[in-house]
Amino acid sequence: AQSVAQPEDQVNVAEGNPLTVKCTYSVSGNPYLFWYVQYPNRGLQFLLKYITGDNLVKGSYGFEAEFNKSQTSFHLKKPSALVSDSALYFCAVRDGYAGNNRKLIWGLGTSLAVNP
Amino acid sequence: DTAVSQTPKYLVTQMGNDKSIKCEQNLGHDTMYWYKQDSKKFLKIMFSYNNKELIINETVPNRFSPKSPDKAHLNLHINSLELGDSAVYFCASSPRTVQMNTGELFFGEGSRLTVL
Repeated sequence: AQSVAQPEDQVNVAEGNPLTVKCTYSVSGNPYLFWYVQYPNRGLQFLLKYITGDNLVKGSYGFEAEFNKSQTSFHLKKPSALVSDSALYFCAVRDGYAGNNRKLIWGLGTSLAVNP
Repeated sequence: DTAVSQTPKYLVTQMGNDKSIKCEQNLGHDTMYWYKQDSKKFLKIMFSYNNKELIINETVPNRFSPKSPDKAHLNLHINSLELGDSAVYFCASSPRTVQMNTGELFFGEGSRLTVL
């Protein structure tokens, strides 16, 4: 069965420090991997994706993520956290198979709190 | 210019009532979705339409009926509302079906439904 795990419900980090939000996945075939961010009382916003190519992908707001096939992970990172990065982060994956009914599988979300 | 707009933003109603939520996207996308986010922030897909055709229909009570009059609009009608229907409902769109595109979804700001 396809699944996404975000092992941490909450991550706390001091402003200016590097941050990591973890994601591991299980999917058939080649994965398509995504990170989305949800600010309070807002809709989700796309941050970045990995489809193919370089394992390190860069996205919006200075975020990046590294695809690690052997560890089936796609951790989200940022070198220096900002208080404004405080939000809920979702990892999502879909398989690489064709078919109109393919859909994203979502993690449960990780709440990131950046302390001033 | 709002890309994906939902109305109403807030909806408070009594059990047993019928209500509708409307969604419109001006991005020219082919595919639209309804997601439900519960109080624990868990995100669950409900329906997906591609060019007015239903392509994903998750295990959702048949009290929920989506309607897509054209590819820019996807409405959600809920009959006989129950307490457990209280949630935030998100509309989203993407350029193609999930299997055809990169999985980048554009979300509306959500419609918070409270059933008393």
